[in-house]
Amino acid sequence: QQQVKQSPQSLIVQKGGISIINCAYENTAFDYFPWYQQFPGKGPALLIAIRPDVSEKKEGRFTISFNKSAKQFSLHIMDSQPGDSATYFCALSFFNKFYFGSGTKLNVKP
Amino acid sequence: NAGVTQTPKFRVLKTGQSMTLLCAQDMNHEYMYWYRQDPGMGLRLIHYSVGEGTTAKGEVPDGYNVSRLKKQNFLLGLESAAPSQTSVYFCASKAEETQYFGPGTRLLVL
Repeated sequence: QQQVKQSPQSLIVQKGGISIINCAYENTAFDYFPWYQQFPGKGPALLIAIRPDVSEKKEGRFTISFNKSAKQFSLHIMDSQPGDSATYFCALSFFNKFYFGSGTKLNVKP
Repeated sequence: NAGVTQTPKFRVLKTGQSMTLLCAQDMNHEYMYWYRQDPGMGLRLIHYSVGEGTTAKGEVPDGYNVSRLKKQNFLLGLESAAPSQTSVYFCASKAEETQYFGPGTRLLVL
């Protein structure tokens, strides 16, 4: 049973554009919602994270929007750059266990 | 400070063979995790540990065993490898809510 559904599977954005990745979940017990960035041949690395008592968190060009009632959260990458080209995973956490989305492969065209 | 390291980087096994994957961390973290990553499925938790001498099952534990005899090491064992265990395996350790991933082990079971 998949705990989180992530979309789209792949995304192509022009340099300077906005990249948006969405995740939806059902179980309201989750209390931590991180996003991970993974480059080819590397392990994932934490990008940004949010807790359900906050509706938005911004760090530089990266923003998480969280809609608790809709049980959805999304990652926005403003002014997307070719260096942002990577696979992005949303995740959920509860009691030290993490569940990951299926990933979105982002390609930022120069 | 090496962070999280994994040994080996790549391995080919024949069906029925056994092997052990080693994960080591030098950050004195209590929590450690083993995941497998398959195309289109994100990362799935195999087993995890909340401290030395403890282990617990994750989403996909069947066919795997783990041990945490020392705080810095978390071993993942495959007693009788199957082609379905062909995957990339990632180890992670956790401090507060942040997971730090190793570089991964690519395993091919023929």
